[in-house]
Amino acid sequence: DIQMTQSPSSLSASVGDRVTITCRAGQSISSYLNWYQQKSGKAPKLLIYAASGLQSGVPSRFSGSGSGTDFTLTISSLQPEDFATYYCQQSYSTPPTFGQGTKVEIK
Amino acid sequence: QVQLQESGPGLVKPSQTLSLTCTVSGGSIRSGSYYWSWIRQPAGKGLEWIGRIYTGGSTNYNPSLKSRVTISVDTSKNQFSLKLSSVTAADTAIYYCARGPHCSGGSCYPASDSWGQGTLVTVSS
Repeated sequence: DIQMTQSPSSLSASVGDRVTITCRAGQSISSYLNWYQQKSGKAPKLLIYAASGLQSGVPSRFSGSGSGTDFTLTISSLQPEDFATYYCQQSYSTPPTFGQGTKVEIK
Repeated sequence: QVQLQESGPGLVKPSQTLSLTCTVSGGSIRSGSYYWSWIRQPAGKGLEWIGRIYTGGSTNYNPSLKSRVTISVDTSKNQFSLKLSSVTAADTAIYYCARGPHCSGGSCYPASDSWGQGTLVTVSS
């Protein structure tokens, strides 16, 4: 299985802050990297597919970048509704594996 | 807009078989080249992929669970199902069903773009 490691595990930020979450794969996964947002008590929601593709309906303040083993999710200006846990997922090989999550909390 | 809804017993005894169903609405489970997945999440923990079934019936399972998992599809009911045998407390989790791949602009990408709300299954005597 390909191990996915996110950092940080949690962060505190204020509304309007620029937030960056990183995800590292245990081997090259090309651009087969997705980002999901999960709010408390809810199912995960696809934000970014194929490393940088913005899912329809997702605000443009979310962006993804990277390829190979290193990826980032950036929120350009954090909004109140963005406080959640974010997961990266590799879809390069089976089984698809997730990072451990990054919890974004209010500062 | 496709919608998915999990259903099944919320309590399963140890050593028994966990059985869940995902009902798909807003589209046919047979349409397109989709796959239908199960993912679980223990309370307060991360996401674990269990397996998937393709429209044509082929399956992939997580090797860590493969000996205990069966995923099947019932096209007449627009449903797909999960069976997990010989459960233990470690199988207590919220179970989600989901659809992939995500298709956009004429291309498809291996990501799950539609999810059920999840159902909590507790393994306890």
